Amino acid sequence: EVQLLESAGGLVQPGGSLRLSCAASGFSFSDYAMSWVRQAPGKGLEWVSAISASGGSIYYADSVKGRFTISRDNSKNTLYLQMNSLRAEDTAVYYCAKSGTWILYLDYWGQGTLVTFSS
Amino acid sequence: EIVMTQSPATLSVSPGERATLSCRASQSVGSKLAWYQQKPGQAPRLLFYGASTRATGIPARFSGRGSATEFTLTISSLQSEDFAVYYCQQYSAWPYTFGQGSKLEI
Repeated sequence: EVQLLESAGGLVQPGGSLRLSCAASGFSFSDYAMSWVRQAPGKGLEWVSAISASGGSIYYADSVKGRFTISRDNSKNTLYLQMNSLRAEDTAVYYCAKSGTWILYLDYWGQGTLVTFSS
Repeated sequence: EIVMTQSPATLSVSPGERATLSCRASQSVGSKLAWYQQKPGQAPRLLFYGASTRATGIPARFSGRGSATEFTLTISSLQSEDFAVYYCQQYSAWPYTFGQGSKLEI
């Protein structure tokens, strides 16, 4: 059974940093592309970042480019999202999700983790 | 960026009825279109990819059609568990984009 388990999000201050992780199991992690998708409270879905199976191809939404960094450790079956220079508009539930061999659609999703801001 | 527009925003239907949701792309995406279902407090679930190929475990009452810029998701006989928000997503060109969602309510 495919399982994707995101680390706990948290309460951050504007300008702060946070690293999310996603532990994968139930499939051969190193064979599949992975992504982060977020959903602001009461809003729709936004694809934040994607990384190919090998890590050689990486993509970012313009809204996070230069601030967020996606990475993966295939030896640990873990996906990461380093978020720097956080803004209030980054408040969202962040989902880790699996693609097929290529970065296309998302066939399995984690349960999501909430990142919120303190004033 | 390819803009995905879904309609209607909300559709009110009764169990047992047929529901059709639409998704329009601002430029052709070929058949590179996926549909997801999201229930309150849950992660999205993949329903279709390639516009019309059902994902694993998706019941036959769900069907997907379309190509280029016009797509539809049809649920032939609504069950109580089908009331949710539905999103389309194109994977023709990065950034991959979602529609704003269509809510199916009783």
